[in-house]
Amino acid sequence: QVQLVQSGAEVKKPGSSVKVSCKASGDTFSRHAISWVRQAPGQGLEWMGALIPNFGSTNYAQKFQDRVTMSADASSRTACMELSSLRFEDTAVYYCVSQGGYYVDYWGQGTLVTVSS
Amino acid sequence: QSALTQPASVSGSPGQSITISCTGTNNDVGAYNYVSWYQQHPGEAPKLMIYDVSHRPSGVSSRFSGSKSDTTASLTISGLQAEDEADYYCCSYTSSSTLLFGGGTKLTVL
Repeated sequence: QVQLVQSGAEVKKPGSSVKVSCKASGDTFSRHAISWVRQAPGQGLEWMGALIPNFGSTNYAQKFQDRVTMSADASSRTACMELSSLRFEDTAVYYCVSQGGYYVDYWGQGTLVTVSS
Repeated sequence: QSALTQPASVSGSPGQSITISCTGTNNDVGAYNYVSWYQQHPGEAPKLMIYDVSHRPSGVSSRFSGSKSDTTASLTISGLQAEDEADYYCCSYTSSSTLLFGGGTKLTVL
């Protein structure tokens, strides 16, 4: 069984960065991938990228290529996602998720990031 | 990369069947049998309902089924129940080794 517990809500200024953490339990780090999905208020789901624990590699959606960094520490069972150069439109709930294959089968509780001046 | 195309809304009466379509391209839906479907109730995280086009995770009702033809995938819900009212999202693996979600469909049970 996989459990993903994320850090708390954040309020950030435009142009700054935010780092969201995700504490994993179970066999998360031996599964296919740890990914991040975001959902803006009243909008749909958007896949941001993935970290493949077995290879230590990352793959980011083109839209976030220049602004996102995903990392993970197997010893502390913690994954992190940092998004830089924040804009108002980055206001969203950010989900840490675990992929069993080419699908998401476990979701964290979500972290609300609000970008406001 | 544009989101997969889903109808904004569908509706049906209790007991009826509905189908939600998800249209992509030959770089995603048409290229791989890696389409998944998610159900999201308001204020909750999404829940996996179908993976790899037509496979149901343990615990998901057999009233939910998935299929694919060329570049269009479909989710069918039979015997509609009030608790099926939710937003539904499709998702596909892509030739860029990424996942791509659909825009979402709001299901209303009349």
